[in-house]
Amino acid sequence: QSVLTQPPSVSGAPGQRVTISCAGSSSNIGTRYDVHWYQQLPGTAPKVLIYDNTSRPSGVPDRFSGSKSATSASLAITGLQAEDEADYYCQSYDSSLSGVVFGGGTKLTVL
Amino acid sequence: EVQLLESGGGLVQPGGSLRLSCAASGFTFSNHGMSWVRQAPGKGLEWVSGISGSGGTTYYADSVKGRFTISRDNSKNTLYVQMKSLRAEDTAVYYCATHLTMVTTGIHCWGQGTLVTVSS
Repeated sequence: QSVLTQPPSVSGAPGQRVTISCAGSSSNIGTRYDVHWYQQLPGTAPKVLIYDNTSRPSGVPDRFSGSKSATSASLAITGLQAEDEADYYCQSYDSSLSGVVFGGGTKLTVL
Repeated sequence: EVQLLESGGGLVQPGGSLRLSCAASGFTFSNHGMSWVRQAPGKGLEWVSGISGSGGTTYYADSVKGRFTISRDNSKNTLYVQMKSLRAEDTAVYYCATHLTMVTTGIHCWGQGTLVTVSS
């Protein structure tokens, strides 16, 4: 059972917009700790997609965006492409656990 | 270019020990918190342990507390994790990761991972 809760799967057709939610609590997302998102393509290491809630590293398309509100966060992907098919993870820090916490991951399928 | 190269993975019997290493380059190693994150076959990411840039503060997931010890050698730009009393459920790919700054911040870069298999 992950500390951060994500839907196990989402899907969308090419060109569409999808969102992935990440629900936390007052000891992680609901505090001063930021939310970060990672993309993991099959058979590869995770890659940073969004950091500090809304920031994109250089090289990440602006089709990817992040937001945070209260105890939850969301990742939005617009103009869905076949190469976006991957697993997506949210991450924060939990003050009660004194440790890094991840969501369980969401598998994105491009129909 | 930031690079993290893990080594030391392999097959170990239940109850055995193993030490993983992560050689870092391309950034000022001592300025960044570091973590080990693992991924069991077909499962999601699980944070294992973290350490501050100076090495003075360490963090552990409950699942490994008392069995794993994280450390770093800033003179060698290398991160370690000593794993003992290994169990079948410790079988996973272990990733080395560097944080933006402190361990409480996001992960900036991931290594390619090293596979640890605990089996008799």
